[in-house]
Amino acid sequence: EIVLTQSPATLSLSPGERATLSCRASQSVSSYLAWYQQKPGQAPRLLIYDASFRATGIPARFSGSGSGTHFTLTISSLEPEDFAVYYCHQRSNRETFGQGTRLEMK
Amino acid sequence: VQLVESGGGLVKPGGSLRLSCDASGFIFTDYSLSWIRQAPGKGLEWLSSISKSGTTIDYADSVRGRFSISRDNAKKSLHLQMNSLRADDTALYYCARLGPPDYYDYWGHGTLVTVSS
Repeated sequence: EIVLTQSPATLSLSPGERATLSCRASQSVSSYLAWYQQKPGQAPRLLIYDASFRATGIPARFSGSGSGTHFTLTISSLEPEDFAVYYCHQRSNRETFGQGTRLEMK
Repeated sequence: VQLVESGGGLVKPGGSLRLSCDASGFIFTDYSLSWIRQAPGKGLEWLSSISKSGTTIDYADSVRGRFSISRDNAKKSLHLQMNSLRADDTALYYCARLGPPDYYDYWGHGTLVTVSS
């Protein structure tokens, strides 16, 4: 099973700041990695797929990068609605999710 | 697009439940579907996927042999038969659609399963 490790577990930032979230895979997943956002009481929402492509309707402030074992989700300038939990997800070899990064408002 | 789960509830350890997910707003037979769960306060765990025709099925090791996924394309519904339930199966169970980019583009709101004596 491919283990996805997200860091940090919690990120405390203010609106307008830049957020950088990391996801490391225990073995290469090529570019078969997605990022989801989950707000309290809601289902996850697809943000980024295939490491760097924005899903339909996702604002340009969200970007993804990386390949192989190291991936990054960047939010260029935080809006109040961006504070949530973020999960990475791989479908390269069986499916697994990272444990999540909680992005909280400072 | 709508995915609506049902069938959750309180069950004793060792018991069984059958979850359903009713789909609407898209061509059901064009998409693979999955069950994914989230234990209270925890992260997401993929459980099982089924292909468009239902011929290809896969399970996570944690549920293989206890859970069974199926779909009824005529009724546009997805099911998860859960047997030999354990306390650690307590979670919110989501059905999700594998979209064109081959990731989960639509999710239901989930149905809560609680396993407790």
